[in-house]
Amino acid sequence: GQNIDQPTEMTATEGAIVQINCTYQTSGFNGLFWYQQHAGEAPTFLSYNVLDGLEEKGRFSSFLSRSKGYSYLLLKELQMKDSASYLCAVMDSNYQLIWGAGTKLIIKP
Amino acid sequence: DTAVSQTPKYLVTQMGNDKSIKCEQNLGHDTMYWYKQDSKKFLKIMFSYNNKELIINETVPNRFSPKSPDKAHLNLHINSLELGDSAVYFCASSHIREPNTGELFFGEGSRLTVL
Repeated sequence: GQNIDQPTEMTATEGAIVQINCTYQTSGFNGLFWYQQHAGEAPTFLSYNVLDGLEEKGRFSSFLSRSKGYSYLLLKELQMKDSASYLCAVMDSNYQLIWGAGTKLIIKP
Repeated sequence: DTAVSQTPKYLVTQMGNDKSIKCEQNLGHDTMYWYKQDSKKFLKIMFSYNNKELIINETVPNRFSPKSPDKAHLNLHINSLELGDSAVYFCASSHIREPNTGELFFGEGSRLTVL
């Protein structure tokens, strides 16, 4: 079966760095996505990785290792507004998105 | 201009009723989706549809049906509503073929409450 695993909840301090991990097992691979979802709002796109390595975009970076079926989202200089759920999703060989259950990130002052 | 818009944003109705949620995208995307997000916040794909192919998640009851009058619209019809249908329903769209990444653009969601 297809499976995406990520921690249910994480807590971090304002100004710090946090890494959210995602492991996956899917039928084929056409890229991995990270989305951010604030409570009561729609998910919004953060990043896309299809090749191994690190993609940096401002305070957010995303890493992929296809051989290990592993990705992480790195958030630096955390701000209170970063409190949200972070969803990992993998596009399989049929171009279908397989979603993780999301990681709820709580930022404390 | 809203890229993906869905209406209504809130819908409260009685068990057994039939209701529809509308979705429109002005991004020129070739594929549209309906997702259900329940109280546990897990996004579950219900349907994906382009002008050639409808892919249905086999776990979706046949009380749910997508209707697409054209490639910019994908409406969701729900018959004989049940308590367990209460959730937030998200419409989304994307280009799924290369060179696009397949990034999804979501509507704001429609919160359905069945009493």
